[in-house]
Amino acid sequence: GDSVTQMEGPVTLSEEAFLTINCTYTATGYPSLFWYVQYPGEGLQLLLKATKADDKGSNKGFEATYRKETTSFHLEKGSVQVSDSAVYFCALSESGTYKYIFGTGTRLKVLA
Amino acid sequence: IAGITQAPTSQILAAGRRMTLRCTQDMRHNAMYWYRQDLGLGLRLIHYSNTAGTTGKGEVPDGYSVSRANTDDFPLTLASAVPSQTSVYFCASSDTVSRGYTDTQYFGPGTRLTVL
Repeated sequence: GDSVTQMEGPVTLSEEAFLTINCTYTATGYPSLFWYVQYPGEGLQLLLKATKADDKGSNKGFEATYRKETTSFHLEKGSVQVSDSAVYFCALSESGTYKYIFGTGTRLKVLA
Repeated sequence: IAGITQAPTSQILAAGRRMTLRCTQDMRHNAMYWYRQDLGLGLRLIHYSNTAGTTGKGEVPDGYSVSRANTDDFPLTLASAVPSQTSVYFCASSDTVSRGYTDTQYFGPGTRLTVL
């Protein structure tokens, strides 16, 4: 079945460091790919998404490119801030379905 | 715009008791979902509803039931709570699936449930 694998956390970085959180997936069809962010005590909210191969999703300085050849959707940010401290979830959904598959989440802690 | 509201915010419940978690959305989304979030396991789908009047089972449906009498409400019921149902529960909704891709899910703030 479909699955999402993301890197184990926690990830601890200093402010202004470069961030990469790896995400790979397995899917039988052509899924849409998502990154969601969860701040402490809140629900998940969409960070960015890509709906087809080679699409790049971007938001708030974060970006991720849908790589079909490597089945990956790695999240990157050039310069993290303390306010980026949160848990990040990679997810996929097969086209035409209502179901999502979420990764286990990666906790990011950014130190001032 | 409220989006999705959940109630209660948190609850401590004795094992064997019945509990209903409430979820209401004001976005007129067709699809709604219930997830549980447990440390190290991410989010797991309990039940979902594609449209009012229909429901489906997710990855971990045992011990839970749902109903979808109208577009806005999607309550989750634990008929007889057990300690393994201690978790944070999130309700979510999404708009009609468009051809070729799946729409964004919007999440509520969650309900923290402890079963003793």
